[in-house]
Amino acid sequence: DQQVKQNSPSLSVQEGRISILNCDYTNSMFDYFLWYKKYPAEGPTFLISISSIKDKNEDGRFTVFLNKSAKHLSLHIVPSQPGDSAVYFCGAGSYQLTFGKGTKLSVIP
Amino acid sequence: EAQVTQNPRYLITVTGKKLTVTCSQNMNHEYMSWYRQDPGLGLRQIYYSMNVEVTDKGDVPEGYKVSRKEKRNFPLILESPSPNQTSLYFCASSPNPLNYGYTFGSGTRLTVV
Repeated sequence: DQQVKQNSPSLSVQEGRISILNCDYTNSMFDYFLWYKKYPAEGPTFLISISSIKDKNEDGRFTVFLNKSAKHLSLHIVPSQPGDSAVYFCGAGSYQLTFGKGTKLSVIP
Repeated sequence: EAQVTQNPRYLITVTGKKLTVTCSQNMNHEYMSWYRQDPGLGLRQIYYSMNVEVTDKGDVPEGYKVSRKEKRNFPLILESPSPNQTSLYFCASSPNPLNYGYTFGSGTRLTVV
């Protein structure tokens, strides 16, 4: 059973607009939630994390929101740039980290 | 340059022939991990290590072995590879993966025929 779900395989956004990537999880014991970005032919790159005791964490253009009651987190990218086009993976857990299947973001110039 | 180095980058092998994918990091990180990426399945953790001689299973450990005899190295061993282990493998390291995330290597594309 998939414990971390990214239900949108792809997302297209105009440059300058907000990108919102969503992630749902089932295990209420997860301590941490992380987002990674992956370009083709490269390893994933860590973007931002949030612990289960917080509901928001910001780093520049990237903000992660955590709604524990809904078991839902989202990544907001504002403003979106063409270089943000990549596959985004949501991860959850502790040192044993479980990832979703990814969402391919395309930012259109 | 701070990095995670995996070798080889590409490997084609036959079923049952033991192989090792090496991973080395030069950042003095305590934590290391192996992942595999498959189409439609995303990234799945195979094993992780919290320090020398401390390893634990991830989500998909079957068919794999690891060892952490030195802090910098974390090899992935396939004792008897099978075609379902054809995948893209990533090694990663971190001082603390929960707060700082992992630094990933460039990947090893393995094909088992």
